[in-house]
Amino acid sequence: EVQLVESGGGLVQPGGSLRLSCAASGFTFKNSWMSWVRQAPGKGLEWVANIKGDGSEKSYVDSVEGRFTISRDNAKNSLYLQMNSLRAEDTAIYYCVRNERWGQGTLVTVSS
Amino acid sequence: DIQLTQSPSTLSASVGDRVTITCRASQIISGWLAWYQQKPGKAPKLLIYMVSSLESGVPSRFSGSGSGTEFTLTISGLQPDDFATYYCQHYNYCFGPGTRVDLK
Repeated sequence: EVQLVESGGGLVQPGGSLRLSCAASGFTFKNSWMSWVRQAPGKGLEWVANIKGDGSEKSYVDSVEGRFTISRDNAKNSLYLQMNSLRAEDTAIYYCVRNERWGQGTLVTVSS
Repeated sequence: DIQLTQSPSTLSASVGDRVTITCRASQIISGWLAWYQQKPGKAPKLLIYMVSSLESGVPSRFSGSGSGTEFTLTISGLQPDDFATYYCQHYNYCFGPGTRVDLK
């Protein structure tokens, strides 16, 4: 069974940084495209970034390009999202996703 | 970049109605499409994966179909629990903007 467990969310001031982690199990992680998805309060679902199984390809939604970095450690079956220069509009629940399987999400709040 | 559109954006229906939501992709996306249901304050719930496979535990009144760039979610016999917002997603990539199903 696919399991995805996010961690690292919290309250951060505008301009600050945060690193999200996702521990994956139940499938061959190194062969899987992975992504981060978010949902701001009262808004729709938004894809944030994805990364190929070997890490050789990455892409980002325009609004986070240059500020967020997706990465992975296949030896640890882990996915990461480094978020820098955070803005109020980045406030959301962030989900780790593999195809149609999601983690439970972690809340990121950007506020002074 | 691939983009997904959904129609309609809002759908007013009655209990027992047959409801169809359409998701269109700007490019061919093969079978990498899922449908989710979301209610206010709750996490999205997977309904359909790989275009037409029903997730375990989801009622059989939900079905998915389509290919290429056009996909549909059908609810055959709308139930009170089905009033919600529905999203399509191209795997590990973009979402449609959502379709809200409310009571007529």
